Amino acid sequence: AAGVIQSPRHLIKEKRETATLKCYPIPRHDTVYWYQQGPGQDPQFLISFYEKMQSDKGSIPDRFSAQQFSDYHSELNMSSLELGDSALYFCASSLGLLAGRETQYFGPGTRLLVL
Amino acid sequence: QKEVEQNSGPLSVPEGAIASLNCTYSDRGSQSFFWYRQYSGKSPELIMFIYSNGDKEDGRFTAQLNKASQYVSLLIRDSQPSDSATYLCAVNILSNSGYALNFGKGTSLLVTP
Repeated sequence: AAGVIQSPRHLIKEKRETATLKCYPIPRHDTVYWYQQGPGQDPQFLISFYEKMQSDKGSIPDRFSAQQFSDYHSELNMSSLELGDSALYFCASSLGLLAGRETQYFGPGTRLLVL
Repeated sequence: QKEVEQNSGPLSVPEGAIASLNCTYSDRGSQSFFWYRQYSGKSPELIMFIYSNGDKEDGRFTAQLNKASQYVSLLIRDSQPSDSATYLCAVNILSNSGYALNFGKGTSLLVTP
């Protein structure tokens, strides 16, 4: 079965650089979620999109932005990177936001290292 | 205040024993409850979901839900060393746009040979 695809899987950046992470949801899934997970931490919700519109916003820094495109893939743009941005970034997708359709399936993650 | 509470552990059980993982939640309106397993450095993997009070069994896993007590648990029978991982409890909550999942901090399980 097709799963959530994330690219790149690993990324190394310098401080103050920018990074773009991509997420391709499971086919027919119209909802995408982004999470950040630091070492030893639980996944922290950043932002979500439903039908190409932002649906919910969590602890996403102002330096980050995201969008969902017409083919439902999503991109997380991170600017002015800081050392503390080093983390695993997960994307998840679901069938929607109705009760019973909100089960989230996670991608393999992008490991970002900021030097 | 975190709306989904889990004991961080580590919970250590011997191989072959039953591991019991617990989770409490604060939103009485929650309708869906999920257990994810996460190995170190890997992404969370859905193990089970449960919607109704009572037990739901899938192989060696049993999810138990008690909405009156706002409590959900995961039992792992015949625990194996490969079950050693962090188990995340997630509960659906009604957000501005619809339902989203609220995750607990996870319980670390260690199954010793």
